[in-house]
Amino acid sequence: DIQMTQSPSSLSASVGDRVTITCRASQSISSYLNWYQEKPGKAPKLLIYAASNLQSGVPSRFSGRGSGTDFSLTISSLQPEDFATYYCQQSYSSPWTFGPGTKVEIK
Amino acid sequence: QVQLVQSGAEVKKPGASVKVSCKASGYTFTSNYIHWVRQAPGQGLEWMGVVSPSDGSTTYAQKFQGRVTLTRDTSTSTVYMEMSSLRSEDTAVFYCARVIIRTGGRGFDHWGQGTLVTVSS
Repeated sequence: DIQMTQSPSSLSASVGDRVTITCRASQSISSYLNWYQEKPGKAPKLLIYAASNLQSGVPSRFSGRGSGTDFSLTISSLQPEDFATYYCQQSYSSPWTFGPGTKVEIK
Repeated sequence: QVQLVQSGAEVKKPGASVKVSCKASGYTFTSNYIHWVRQAPGQGLEWMGVVSPSDGSTTYAQKFQGRVTLTRDTSTSTVYMEMSSLRSEDTAVFYCARVIIRTGGRGFDHWGQGTLVTVSS
């Protein structure tokens, strides 16, 4: 199975800050990397697919990059509604494993 | 609009089985694979398996092989997840999610609302 790691596990930031979360795969997954946002009591929401493609309806302050084993999600200017937990996921091979998540909290 | 609507919360005793449904609407049911994801309280997301609505073929995570069965009913556009031999550590929210395939990638673009399964004696 492909293992996914994320860093940091949590971070505190202020509205307007630029935030970057990293994700690493245990082997190359090409660009088969997705990012999801999860808020308490809600289903996850797809933000980025294929490493760098913005899902329809997602604000442009979210961006993704990377390929192979190293990826990142950047929020260019953190908004109040962005405080949530973010997960990366590889869809290169079964099982489609998730990272452990990064919780973005208000400073 | 695309919707995945799951069945309601369940409370089960250890050793019992549970069957959760996921009814799809707003798109051609047989066009997109449906995956299941588990989330224990306060924990992360765990991929369980996938079912093809068109031919019923399945793939399971090794952890759930033999204890989880995914099926589909094309007449009602519904996918089912059945888990047997429940134990307390299976207490979790279970999600169904639709896969969308785009150039160079594939992800879960629509999710059910989640079904809480509580296993308690």
